[in-house]
Amino acid sequence: DTAVSQTPKYLVTQMGNDKSIKCEQNLGHDTMYWYKQDSKKFLKIMFSYNNKELIINETVPNRFSPKSPDKAHLNLHINSLELGDSAVYFCASSQEGRLHGAPQHFGDGTRLSIL
Amino acid sequence: GQQLNQSPQSMFIQEGEDVSMNCTSSSIFNTWLWYKQDPGEGPVLLIALYKAGELTSNGRLTAQFGITRKDSFLNISASIPSDVGIYFCAGLGGGGSEKLVFGKGTKLTVNP
Repeated sequence: DTAVSQTPKYLVTQMGNDKSIKCEQNLGHDTMYWYKQDSKKFLKIMFSYNNKELIINETVPNRFSPKSPDKAHLNLHINSLELGDSAVYFCASSQEGRLHGAPQHFGDGTRLSIL
Repeated sequence: GQQLNQSPQSMFIQEGEDVSMNCTSSSIFNTWLWYKQDPGEGPVLLIALYKAGELTSNGRLTAQFGITRKDSFLNISASIPSDVGIYFCAGLGGGGSEKLVFGKGTKLTVNP
């Protein structure tokens, strides 16, 4: 009965490779997000999709491309991986419609390590 | 951009003690959220606050949304070892933005 699930949990790869992280939510939420958590545990939003449409795109390099095939899935593809991409990436989702903003529910993260 | 100042950065306490942490911002937020993150897991929502002045409890946890909408605090009473983790405040919906802005976290250690 996992609410927000992301795969893989760990990803170790060489610099220059291309990799994807998948995220699925079974909460029926309309909006999904990708966050990056650095080594100091700081969480920063990267992207947000609402009903498959991109609504937030922070200043993230073009090498990062989110893809939402349907509102329950938001995958993250990263091209030409660099050492600085090493971090934990979290997927999250929320149900819009609240007057004052909806809480976001997070997956367990994907720990990406670049060698 | 919007920033949240969360303090303290870390706390070392004895089991049974009460804990208090807070977040302040120079910007107004419409929603304040408190999350806890355990090692190897994602942040888990503890309390959501939607109205200025609102005081909400969840078991031993109590949080308040500041009247000015620029601050919030979280209290944990009678701490237990499983309270160990990193606690994050987060603000949503301020300044016309729908981005969730996180504080830098408070790392809590509870000695049994």
